Amino acid sequence: GAVVSQHPSWVICKSGTSVKIECRSLDFQATTMFWYRQFPKQSLMLMATSNEGSKATYEQGVEKDKFLINHASLTLSTLTVTSAHPEDSSFYICSAKSSRVSNQPQHFGDGTRLSIL
Amino acid sequence: AQSVTQLGSHVSVSEGALVLLRCNYSSSVPPYLFWYVQYPNQGLQLLLKYTTGATLVKGINGFEAEFKKSETSFHLTKPSAHMSDAAEYFCAVSDLANNNDMRFGAGTRLTVKP
Repeated sequence: GAVVSQHPSWVICKSGTSVKIECRSLDFQATTMFWYRQFPKQSLMLMATSNEGSKATYEQGVEKDKFLINHASLTLSTLTVTSAHPEDSSFYICSAKSSRVSNQPQHFGDGTRLSIL
Repeated sequence: AQSVTQLGSHVSVSEGALVLLRCNYSSSVPPYLFWYVQYPNQGLQLLLKYTTGATLVKGINGFEAEFKKSETSFHLTKPSAHMSDAAEYFCAVSDLANNNDMRFGAGTRLTVKP
């Protein structure tokens, strides 16, 4: 089945640093990728949707300058949390789908737990 | 716009008992419906989905769900719970016109007692 790999799975860093999270589709071409944020014991909140080769569409309330998303190829999207602060600590999950396959659900990565000290 | 309501943030069953996780949706257009499972510190794994056709959908790990349009429901069931079923379960909805716009329920934590 479709596999999405997310890296790193855990990251701890100091306040003020920038952190990059990668999301790769391993066995299909991901025309669309999604980035979610999940707080403890809560559901997933969509942050942004990115289509390959175009700018990401951010949900209301998500700072695009804070959360930089790049989707330069059909197999890779990156989320960079710039100048991270403790309030950015969270579980970030990516998902991917191909619009070339009808009715295809989103396939999720295993998530990245980000802890900002 | 679509939305999903999961009734019961926490469900506890005994091993071998029936599992029933409730999901009601709201959508002005024909919905796509999904159930995902999440284990601690992991992403979401698709259990099953309904798009069109047969309203009773069978998924992995013995789970199934039935789409009932008249009740706007998509409840998840499993005849006999196993300890390994303990996890967080999310119901989600998207629509035929915009399959990118997926909305998740708040989740239901399933506990299985020995």
